[in-house]
Amino acid sequence: SAVISQKPSRDICQRGTSLTIQCQVDSQVTMMFWYRQQPGQSLTLIATANQGSEATYESGFVIDKFPISRPNLTFSTLTVSNMSPEDSSIYLCSVEATSGYEQYFGPGTRLTVT
Amino acid sequence: LAKTTQPISMDSYEGQEVNITCSHNNIATNDYITWYQQFPSQGPRFIIQGYKTKVTNEVASLFIPADRKSSTLSLPRVSLSDTAVYYCLVGGGFKTIFGAGTRLFVKA
Repeated sequence: SAVISQKPSRDICQRGTSLTIQCQVDSQVTMMFWYRQQPGQSLTLIATANQGSEATYESGFVIDKFPISRPNLTFSTLTVSNMSPEDSSIYLCSVEATSGYEQYFGPGTRLTVT
Repeated sequence: LAKTTQPISMDSYEGQEVNITCSHNNIATNDYITWYQQFPSQGPRFIIQGYKTKVTNEVASLFIPADRKSSTLSLPRVSLSDTAVYYCLVGGGFKTIFGAGTRLFVKA
């Protein structure tokens, strides 16, 4: 299994500002994923990030709002741009296991927008 | 992508076996069935994955009937620390859609 860390673990931000969340994996992985989980809700996939190519966004999520970088096989960032209180959520990154279709998740970043 | 249906919540007592069933009537031929566990303030944790019949690991068993339209996660002798949300997912590759999950509450 992969060990995944995220920074920051939590943050409180003012509306209109942007926050970049970092995701670091302890091994090289092809695919990384970004999810959003609102309080008490299930996870929603934001985008899939492959190294060397543009991220693929799910319906309802756009690059201007959630730009993603994937500079190498162990690291990715998700930026939440021009934040509003509706962006308050937990943001999680994950990677796909090399041995199967299961994913391993980071601890999440709890974002509160005031 | 196959949609999944699970009970919203379940209660159990310590030491009991808990079975959580997930329905996935539209499962595709190449879809796998995967279960995750999530504790509050943590990311989901992979529990078990299967394609057909029965799969067992150190923490759980997964029963999949021949038609694969449902699956049952079996947790033997649960403890208080098994209180969590359990998600059943069906799919493969990078398309993973989380359903609502089942909140399991284990009581002393």
